[in-house]
Amino acid sequence: DAGITQSPRYKITETGRQVTLMCHQTWSHSYMFWYRQDLGHGLRLIYYSAAADITDKGEVPDGYVVSRSKTENFPLTLESATRSQTSVYFCASSDGEQYFGPGTRLTVT
Amino acid sequence: AQSVTQPDIHITVSEGASLELRCNYSYGATPYLFWYVQSPGQGLQLLLKYFSGDTLVQGIKGFEAEFKRSQSSFNLRKPSVHWSDAAEYFCAVRERFKTIFGAGTRLFVKA
Repeated sequence: DAGITQSPRYKITETGRQVTLMCHQTWSHSYMFWYRQDLGHGLRLIYYSAAADITDKGEVPDGYVVSRSKTENFPLTLESATRSQTSVYFCASSDGEQYFGPGTRLTVT
Repeated sequence: AQSVTQPDIHITVSEGASLELRCNYSYGATPYLFWYVQSPGQGLQLLLKYFSGDTLVQGIKGFEAEFKRSQSSFNLRKPSVHWSDAAEYFCAVRERFKTIFGAGTRLFVKA
């Protein structure tokens, strides 16, 4: 499918578990982003990537790890999930304009 | 630091009435400004953007926004709201390649 996709769309995990959220885009955009959306905070940037193998922290990076071995993929890993990481996560890619994926709703119990 | 403020957490308007959603930004240089809409359970969709030029910009779905540098504002307007416009709206400013979002305004439309 063309565009930007995220998987899974819904995930429930336990505190302390590792979980990886996947993001895939078909446009070959250089820039990719991970945001979390929480009530009252809008979208906050977790990490971003300017190109393959180039990543940098955003506003709220603690507890998250990213990688970008291929231009089209930008996975986000929670190494040891905490309840405060319960959120909706959005991936985006950009060619100057940002295009958002459908989101992943993550619940940490 | 750059920031975006949306003073209204939620707004309720009657169908057919006009709408204005407020947005104020803090940014040192000429800003790149955006409005996005998010329907429940969906990602964000770009409504319109301002980079330069005419300060009144037209977007999709009948929306427009006006950039006022003197007021550091970029308010979103629509002359006649439809029930399908009920959603959450986000104002955003771009700093280089990063985008800073406001907290959002939820729009309710009553019949």
